[in-house]
Amino acid sequence: AQKITQTQPGMFVQEKEAVTLDCTYDTSDPSYGLFWYKQPSSGEMIFLIYQGSYDQQNATEGRYSLNFQKARKSANLVISASQLGDSAMYFCAMREGPGDSSYKLIFGSGTRLLVRP
Amino acid sequence: GAVVSQHPSRVICKSGTSVKIECRSLDFQATTMFWYRQFPKQSLMLMATSNEGSKATYEQGVEKDKFLINHASLTLSTLTVTSAHPEDSSFYICSAAVGGVTNEKLFFGSGTQLSVL
Repeated sequence: AQKITQTQPGMFVQEKEAVTLDCTYDTSDPSYGLFWYKQPSSGEMIFLIYQGSYDQQNATEGRYSLNFQKARKSANLVISASQLGDSAMYFCAMREGPGDSSYKLIFGSGTRLLVRP
Repeated sequence: GAVVSQHPSRVICKSGTSVKIECRSLDFQATTMFWYRQFPKQSLMLMATSNEGSKATYEQGVEKDKFLINHASLTLSTLTVTSAHPEDSSFYICSAAVGGVTNEKLFFGSGTQLSVL
């Protein structure tokens, strides 16, 4: 069974509008971390945002916020006020276990976001 | 922030030759580094975990004799693709972690595009 599922292979959004990229996960470990990375065409992986399983509040980083619904096992990324430079592949990833014991990340299949001018 | 440098960014080689890819942490010591492989339009798949001063841990299905990993210092890990074949053509990307730092500080290199003719 897939541990990280991204059901949207591609998304369009109009510039300056908000967009939500979906991510669901599956784990039986009570301690885990969820990440979102952006991968532009150059290939580098750019860290966007992190949510720990025990974090009480949803993570936010500038225009990025993570809609963490633990009971539903979802960790959707919300990008507000989209910019043309946001066009890229976006990957959701999960780390199982406490942060100081395992840094292995399992990635989802990704969502390609295209921002229209 | 911390930087991970990966070289070369692109390499083309003949079938049967070996290719070495370097991953360096520039301003921090990385006790653990990770090597991922990414096929076109697919997600990142973890190949192996590289630990400084000890043998690498390979994921299931990854040939350790094919993909040699050396982590001789706290700032350098190398991946050598031995006797490369066209099916080894892929995007290889490393990431680095620091002991005691939580996962939101996991950094990625810029990746290496390997093309085997």
